[in-house]
Amino acid sequence: AQSVTQLGSHVSVSEGALVLLRCNYSSSVPPYLFWYVQYPNQGLQLLLKYTTGATLVKGINGFEAEFKKSETSFHLTKPSAHMSDAAEYFCAVSEGGGYQKVTFGTGTKLQVIP
Amino acid sequence: DTGVSQDPRHKITKRGQNVTFRCDPISEHNRLYWYRQTLGQGPEFLTYFQNEAQLEKSRLLSDRFSAERPKGSFSTLEIQRTEQGDSAMYLCASSSAGGNSYEQYFGPGTRLTVT
Repeated sequence: AQSVTQLGSHVSVSEGALVLLRCNYSSSVPPYLFWYVQYPNQGLQLLLKYTTGATLVKGINGFEAEFKKSETSFHLTKPSAHMSDAAEYFCAVSEGGGYQKVTFGTGTKLQVIP
Repeated sequence: DTGVSQDPRHKITKRGQNVTFRCDPISEHNRLYWYRQTLGQGPEFLTYFQNEAQLEKSRLLSDRFSAERPKGSFSTLEIQRTEQGDSAMYLCASSSAGGNSYEQYFGPGTRLTVT
């Protein structure tokens, strides 16, 4: 079975500061990993994904994440927070293959302080 | 490509009533997923269609829930005899079979409130 743990349900950063959102996963097979962002009363938007290959993946809006197999982690970072980054972020895992059942973490709400 | 659409966006109903939600996936996507998201939680998988075939259902999908995708295009999710615990955001997603099949595109969701 696959699972995701997001450390910290709420994270606050100052505008311009580093954003670090933590995610650890569990999977019985090589995982596919995702970060999604959700703005209030909206659906989820894919920020970035890791499937195979390069372990440092870049996504939209300046976000990136690094797959570390030894640590079973997939932390999301952004060098400089912007006010528009305030949203809820979900880490997710799937076990690949033709059918993609995705398991989501409980989410981290990011607050950006001006 | 107009994205995944869901209708209605909001639904308020009284306990015991039936409700039906609709999802229109991206036109060339043959895979469709339903998720439920409660406050403070991530989306939880409910069911999955490939074309018109419903291939998996979560144990979260009780007998009061039924989903269909009659012609492999749009899908409906019906909840019978709603309970207050059904209050949640219901999200639909779609993906294609080949290429980036792991990438699911989400609709805006239908927020259900059961009073």
